[in-house]
Amino acid sequence: DAGITQSPRHKVTETGTPVTLRCHQTENHRYMYWYRQDPGHGLRLIHYSYGVKDTDKGEVSDGYSVSRSKTEDFLLTLESATSSQTSVYFCAISEQLLAGGPSGNNEQFFGPGTRLTVL
Amino acid sequence: GESVGLHLPTLSVQEGDNSIINCAYSNSASDYFIWYKQESGKGPQFIIDIRSNMDKRQGQRVTVLLNKTVKHLSLQIAATQPGDSAVYFCAENAGYSTLTFGKGTMLLVSP
Repeated sequence: DAGITQSPRHKVTETGTPVTLRCHQTENHRYMYWYRQDPGHGLRLIHYSYGVKDTDKGEVSDGYSVSRSKTEDFLLTLESATSSQTSVYFCAISEQLLAGGPSGNNEQFFGPGTRLTVL
Repeated sequence: GESVGLHLPTLSVQEGDNSIINCAYSNSASDYFIWYKQESGKGPQFIIDIRSNMDKRQGQRVTVLLNKTVKHLSLQIAATQPGDSAVYFCAENAGYSTLTFGKGTMLLVSP
């Protein structure tokens, strides 16, 4: 398995509280991604990073912020958690961006996931 | 607990059968496609990819077919095994830096 860890793996919190999820990689990959996975929706991109301090929004970024102060860590923060943010969150990493990359290693490696419940 | 498998289309096969999982994609500009496998409680795992300049690509026991005319992708698994039981997702890339994922199909393999 690619060296990706997520912490915590499970969290239960209350509406209105701040929550930070951490993704840590040991692969030195440039690109990192945060997704959420919900029944009936598949995986949806929240934010991604293309380098230290370089981030961009994904499809469902409202209510989330991210930070990447070093290559190996990508943090996802819910400033004020809501029940609609109850989900399973996955971090992913890749060596290359998908667009324009040569054929071959465009794979995104996923972490084990964090199950977040907002009561 | 809540499962990503709820409400998914399901394909049930016997061990040893060949399985075909289908995916309709939405963007005619998509030029790169990936199939992922997700076992219960785990993150998605890359299976095989294909670019739009190909219509077929083979891996170990898996084959991906791409029909750009009807925007259809399929994953064929030969000699399906119980360990193949999982949710399978297709994903497409339309020239940007991110993937768009399908909702998935659950494959159940009976011994």
